[in-house]
Amino acid sequence: GAGVSQTPSNKVTEKGKYVELRCDPISGHTALYWYRQSLGQGPEFLIYFQGTGAADDSGLPNDRFFAVRPEGSVSTLKIQRTERGDSAVYLCASSLIRRENTEAFFGQGTRLTVV
Amino acid sequence: AQTVTQSQPEMSVQEAETVTLSCTYDTSESDYYLFWYKQPPSRQMILVIRQEAYKQQNATENRFSVNFQKAAKSFSLKISDSQLGDAAMYFCAYRRGYGGSQGNLIFGKGTKLSVKP
Repeated sequence: GAGVSQTPSNKVTEKGKYVELRCDPISGHTALYWYRQSLGQGPEFLIYFQGTGAADDSGLPNDRFFAVRPEGSVSTLKIQRTERGDSAVYLCASSLIRRENTEAFFGQGTRLTVV
Repeated sequence: AQTVTQSQPEMSVQEAETVTLSCTYDTSESDYYLFWYKQPPSRQMILVIRQEAYKQQNATENRFSVNFQKAAKSFSLKISDSQLGDAAMYFCAYRRGYGGSQGNLIFGKGTKLSVKP
């Protein structure tokens, strides 16, 4: 596609429910990142995929958070037993894996609200 | 661990004037990249300018330029001839740059820029 696409744009869910957030990266981009941006803060790294595998998941806050990228393209961020503190904008970014000029392109994010 | 600090939560500039946004960072690495991103209300992060740490020359992109002081670990953004469309949140970010890996971005808390007509 022309850019990184994230769906849904907004998601409201009840505390304790399960949610899935989808990211469709730019075609051909093998690197994919998830970030979480809480109100008034900069984005914080969650997880990095290189192809199909999670190369770095050190930013995931706890085991309620999980992400997959089974075919090396679309990725899904999964949150179990959501809590009000999970409310944030979840941003996805993709890039080529190249040392020079490796610009990360961001989607418009999913605003998750847990009520 | 690397950190990025933006000490100006909000800034304001008159249209057509110049404004400078501050950023400092902390790292023990010698090879890295620094970025300024713009985030309008649409939420999409847009790359404004990039600086490679090994380059002494300050990066410039049209009305946007940086003052990169490696020894002081300072990376400020100057916006010249400010336009109404420049109003947004601006984030300074750091990325490691070594080997063939990409490395994730570390962001500051952002500066909200307002442009007055």
